[in-house]
Amino acid sequence: NAGVTQTPKFQVLKTGQSMTLQCAQDMNHEYMSWYRQDPGMGLRLIHYSVGAGITDQGEVPNGYNVSRSTTEDFPLRLLSAAPSQTSVYFCASSYDGGLYNEQFFGPGTRLTVL
Amino acid sequence: AQKVTQAQTEISVVEKEDVTLDCVYETRDTTYYLFWYKQPPSGELVFLIRRNSFDEQNEISGRYSWNFQKSTSSFNFTITASQVVDSAVYFCALSVGISSGSARQLTFGSGTQLTVLP
Repeated sequence: NAGVTQTPKFQVLKTGQSMTLQCAQDMNHEYMSWYRQDPGMGLRLIHYSVGAGITDQGEVPNGYNVSRSTTEDFPLRLLSAAPSQTSVYFCASSYDGGLYNEQFFGPGTRLTVL
Repeated sequence: AQKVTQAQTEISVVEKEDVTLDCVYETRDTTYYLFWYKQPPSGELVFLIRRNSFDEQNEISGRYSWNFQKSTSSFNFTITASQVVDSAVYFCALSVGISSGSARQLTFGSGTQLTVLP
């Protein structure tokens, strides 16, 4: 199993550009989520999905869109990049949305917005 | 609202010393889970342990041990005889249910950077 994969690993954008961060998992997990990691702030939840066709907002959803057309894929779209979106983005998955399930994380995408 | 506090931003120890990472949480939920994750320099977060709110037994796994105390809302992590490979950022996280659905809300602390010097 590849686990959770993310592409790209690094990305530089100009303010106003849009892009999609890709995330895929091959563990048949129902629950997938996106976090951003900023210095001194830990990981903050952007969006999550409890299954194909179902998504919901997390703590910091503004400026991001998600969709979940398949169990495997959960892309994150930046609509109009802003310098405040400079961060490291992690995709994670778990068996389902139960409280007890540990999450499996991807390697992260380091995004810089100029 | 849930909150996880890791007051120690950075800790530096010399190899073979013991080190304890503190985690204090806040929640009004009576059912919850606590987690510790490790983020080595490579960047990927790795799950270490989970503990539910009804199980206050301490746990030991090799050089790692965890002390969960509901009375003080703490879930501390101790590394015995630290090694250079233990150098990483360690995150404590709290998992509670979301009232509007079946998914849980996972709240992370800000992390503790542990550096083990040779």
